[in-house]
Amino acid sequence: KNQVEQSPQSLIILEGKNCTLQCNYTVSPFSNLRWYKQDTGRGPVSLTIMTFSENTKSNGRYTATLDADTKQSSLHITASQLSDSASYICVVSAYNAGKSTFGDGTTLTVKP
Amino acid sequence: EAGVVQSPRYKIIEKKQPVAFWCNPISGHNTLYWYRQNLGQGPELLIRYENEEAVDDSQLPKDRFSAERLKGVDSTLKIQPAELGDSAVYLCASSSSIGRRKSSGNTIYFGEGSWLTVV
Repeated sequence: KNQVEQSPQSLIILEGKNCTLQCNYTVSPFSNLRWYKQDTGRGPVSLTIMTFSENTKSNGRYTATLDADTKQSSLHITASQLSDSASYICVVSAYNAGKSTFGDGTTLTVKP
Repeated sequence: EAGVVQSPRYKIIEKKQPVAFWCNPISGHNTLYWYRQNLGQGPELLIRYENEEAVDDSQLPKDRFSAERLKGVDSTLKIQPAELGDSAVYLCASSSSIGRRKSSGNTIYFGEGSWLTVV
């Protein structure tokens, strides 16, 4: 069964600090991996998308990495801001299946 | 460009009552999804449409849930009768598979969700 596991479940950091969120998956055959940010009460918004040939991608202060061999991805947030407080969801898609498997997300709280 | 539009944003109903949600995807997007998201969890796919055809409805509880996308554009999701356990956020999303390699994936754009509370 295709699965996506995210850790930690929740994280609290101080404003200005960096943090890294983890995503492990068993989806096969792998097509692509996306990270979404979901603010409270809003729909998820795409941050990055990576295919098997990409091992890093940045979007401003967000940097995602992908190790297709170990089936792991991370999302690194640099110089966190209060507005980074949200749930970060890892989504992995299987090749040609049109199906995406969602993780349960990591809830990040940035405190002043 | 307008995003995915959903209505209503919030709905409170008594159990056993019917409820319907409406979604208008991004213009030109041929793929439409309905997801259900419980608190503290990721979205779970209920149904996926390619144009007007439901290509994946394996997770849709067909005894009480129904969906349609008659003209391949907007869509409705209905629950009848609603149960207490149906309280959740119902997210509509859309994407375009036209002009993309299958391996590169298509970004899924989400609406703001319809928050359902069944009491």
